[in-house]
Amino acid sequence: GESVGLHLPTLSVQEGDNSIINCAYSNSASDYFIWYKQESGKGPQFIIDIRSNMDKRQGQRVTVLLNKTVKHLSLQIAATQPGDSAVYFCAELTSNDYKLSFGAGTTVTVRA
Amino acid sequence: GAGVSQTPSNKVTEKGKYVELRCDPISGHTALYWYRQSLGQGPEFLIYFQGTGAADDSGLPNDRFFAVRPEGSVSTLKIQRTERGDSAVYLCASSLMAGPNYGYTFGSGTRLTVV
Repeated sequence: GESVGLHLPTLSVQEGDNSIINCAYSNSASDYFIWYKQESGKGPQFIIDIRSNMDKRQGQRVTVLLNKTVKHLSLQIAATQPGDSAVYFCAELTSNDYKLSFGAGTTVTVRA
Repeated sequence: GAGVSQTPSNKVTEKGKYVELRCDPISGHTALYWYRQSLGQGPEFLIYFQGTGAADDSGLPNDRFFAVRPEGSVSTLKIQRTERGDSAVYLCASSLMAGPNYGYTFGSGTRLTVV
C-alpha cells in the first residue's frame, strides 16, 4: 500500500538537501489547503496552496502533495537553504468557510 | 500600508489589567480576522469581521474578550481582567473578501505576556 509520512515536530536538514514536511488534516469536508512558513517574531507567510480537485501543485522550489484518501498533505522543499529555517504549518478550509484550521507545526532547521 | 500592521509588537501587563491590541489591515480589505497562537501551537481562530460587523465571534474564549472595527478598517481586540492564561501571540489577518478565493495576509502579531 501507499506509505504516508508521519508528522514530525522538528526536522533537521543539510543545506542543499530536499525537505519533506508532513501534515494530517482532520476535516474530510475541507477542500482548500495552504502551507504557511512562520519565522521567529513574524506572522504566518503564505507559501503554496492546493485545492481538493488536485493531488499535486508546484511552485518555486516547493511542491505540495495531497492525498485525500488518508487526509494527508506534504510540502517538499527542493535544495533547502538557510533562509528556509522556520516553523511550517498546514491549514485547511472548506470552500464556503473563512476560518483557517491550522495543524501542528514542524520546526525546520537547516544545517550549513 | 503594504501589509497588516499590529501594535504594540509586545505587551507586558499585570494580571487583572485591561489591554487593547490594534490591527491595521491592508487598505481595501473588507475581511479581518483575529487569531491567537499559544507557544508551540498553530494559530486558533477568535473572530471574523466583514466590514464593521463581527460576523463570527465563536472563537472568543469568554466574555472578557471583545473586538471592534467601528469604521471597517482598523480593529481593536480588547481583553478585560487579564489572566496568565491569556499570554499568547495575537495575530491579525485581512483579506479582500472572505473565503479561500482571496488570500489571507497576516500581521506579525502582538506578543502578550500577563504576569
